[in-house]
Amino acid sequence: QVRLVESGGGVVQPGRSLRLSCSASGFTFLSYGMHWVRQAPGKGLEWVAVISFDGSDKDYADSVKGRFTISRDNSKKMLYLQMNSLRAEDTAVYYCAKPAGVVIENRFDSWGQGILVTVSS
Amino acid sequence: DILMTQSPSSLSASVGDTVTITCRASQGISNYLAWYQQKPGKVPNLLIYDASTLQSGVPSRFSGSGSGTDFTLTISSLQPEDVATYYCQKYNSASFFTFGPGTKVDIK
Repeated sequence: QVRLVESGGGVVQPGRSLRLSCSASGFTFLSYGMHWVRQAPGKGLEWVAVISFDGSDKDYADSVKGRFTISRDNSKKMLYLQMNSLRAEDTAVYYCAKPAGVVIENRFDSWGQGILVTVSS
Repeated sequence: DILMTQSPSSLSASVGDTVTITCRASQGISNYLAWYQQKPGKVPNLLIYDASTLQSGVPSRFSGSGSGTDFTLTISSLQPEDVATYYCQKYNSASFFTFGPGTKVDIK
């Protein structure tokens, strides 16, 4: 079955950087685009970024554009989110999510358990 | 950018009631709409996709309808295990997979 496991979260000072990782298994990772979604404490879901199956296309929410970079390593079945210039408002649980099909315009049918990132001095 | 709104933001209903949640897109998105359920402390779970298709394993008391800009999630015969926050999400383009702000459902 599909398994997505995030890692790399923690407490970081404002202005610093952090890289999240998502390990994928149970499906043909290199065939699927992948997403990051976040959820601030007590708030709703916010889509963050998407990457195409081969890494050639990427897109970001306006709130993170220019600061966050999504990437992947298909040989390792890993998804990454490099987060730079972190702000207090980036504090959230970050989920990696898989679309239901290889077409990127698709609902999310599998989610990781989430990893908490806290930006605080 | 297409904005997604939901109403109401919260509701309280009795066990056995029929509950209706509305989602509206600021521009037409055809039927590229999903509904997710998120129980407290849990990961979101896909309920409905393509506006009206029930995800495998989801109880049949959940149903979805709509197309274009206006969509509805209906829970017929609300159960205690349905206490959760419900989100709509658009996926009509290869970018900006925006979620609605959520509707919190409680038992009266």
